Amino acid sequence: QKEVEQDPGPLSVPEGAIVSLNCTYSNSAFQYFMWYRQYSRKGPELLMYTYSSGNKEDGRFTAQVDKSSKYISLFIRDSQPSDSATYLCAPGGNNAGNMLTFGGGTRLMVKP
Amino acid sequence: NAGVTQTPKFRVLKTGQSMTLLCAQDMNHEYMYWYRQDPGMGLRLIHYSVGEGTTAKGEVPDGYNVSRLKKQNFLLGLESAAPSQTSVYFCASRELNQPQHFGDGTRLSIL
Repeated sequence: QKEVEQDPGPLSVPEGAIVSLNCTYSNSAFQYFMWYRQYSRKGPELLMYTYSSGNKEDGRFTAQVDKSSKYISLFIRDSQPSDSATYLCAPGGNNAGNMLTFGGGTRLMVKP
Repeated sequence: NAGVTQTPKFRVLKTGQSMTLLCAQDMNHEYMYWYRQDPGMGLRLIHYSVGEGTTAKGEVPDGYNVSRLKKQNFLLGLESAAPSQTSVYFCASRELNQPQHFGDGTRLSIL
């Protein structure tokens, strides 16, 4: 079992839909949680990060963390075709290399 | 606003050839990382560095070597390229417990 799991998709939704992207993890030592967005042929770019359980909102994006269930979600409201990308969850904690552990990513397609 | 710059962007090698991938960051970050990304495998850590002059092995280090002689540069070397090393390579840097910043990758094909 991988340490961080994501459904690879693809997830196809119509423009304007609410999107829910999910991630589960097994390591209780993870202390902070990041979401990256990766467009085709580009490097991952940071979308959101949070250091605690609960919700964090930034514009159309909301990150939700439930440490008790080891479950992370990213919600996208009013989805746009420009949101079409692969979304990677990446929890991290206090380790020697200050490393993040990346999920395999979920590919999202938003159709006009 | 360069951030993390990777050189080259594309390269084709023959089996057995050697090459070095260069990563440069202008954010004065302590930590630097090399990943490979393959379909269905996600990002896998090859080597990392916690500061100038230091390197350490990641998840998939075999066949690769790294050096961090200057804080801003992190080099990834392939001594004898193999077809299994065909991949997209990403470099990233960060400060302690802060988000990682990625370059746009090097696409490497080994024939």
